[in-house]
Amino acid sequence: NAGVTQTPKFQVLKTGQSMTLQCAQDMNHNSMYWYRQDPGMGLRLIYYSASEGTTDKGEVPNGYNVSRLNKREFSLRLESAAPSQTSVYFCASSEALRTGGNQPQHFGDGTRLSIL
Amino acid sequence: GDSVTQMEGPVTLSEEAFLTINCTYTATGYPSLFWYVQYPGEGLQLLLKATKADDKGSNKGFEATYRKETTSFHLEKGSVQVSDSAVYFCALMGYNTDKLIFGTGTRLQVFP
Repeated sequence: NAGVTQTPKFQVLKTGQSMTLQCAQDMNHNSMYWYRQDPGMGLRLIYYSASEGTTDKGEVPNGYNVSRLNKREFSLRLESAAPSQTSVYFCASSEALRTGGNQPQHFGDGTRLSIL
Repeated sequence: GDSVTQMEGPVTLSEEAFLTINCTYTATGYPSLFWYVQYPGEGLQLLLKATKADDKGSNKGFEATYRKETTSFHLEKGSVQVSDSAVYFCALMGYNTDKLIFGTGTRLQVFP
């Protein structure tokens, strides 16, 4: 049972470099999410996609772009990485399609990203 | 806006001790409430949930009751094990939305 798969697991970038984080889910879920986790701040939503072909900004979208390639895949792109983007990034998915909000989200194992 | 407040950690306990991790929330309407657990090096896993007032969520010996009058969803376990050592996140999902709002997390350390 793969669930939500994120690649890569670790990455070190230099300031100004670009990178795409990949996420795929095999649960036929409608909604997908990208979060960042920083010490003392919990998880904060970057972008989400309620269905294939739609994306919306979350709490901290600046410096990021996303693509919902198909129902399975949702990628996060850093166009010009900055040290403030050093974090652990989590992808999640759920069955929710604006249904009233009690469907749990399923998380990947995260990508640990360091920007020097 | 909606928010979740958790007690700061770390919480350090001996094996078989009683656990309480406090969580309170601020939200309009009738949110759903969740506890997630994160083991070292892993993503978050759903531990339990409650979708309406007075509901009790339970799983793996953990329990939490949705208290609308005190806007709380405290996590409890009667006898913790070393394997329960992890970070616990309280979260809410507002009515008619599918976005989670997380607390800052509470680290639990259980020693033999």
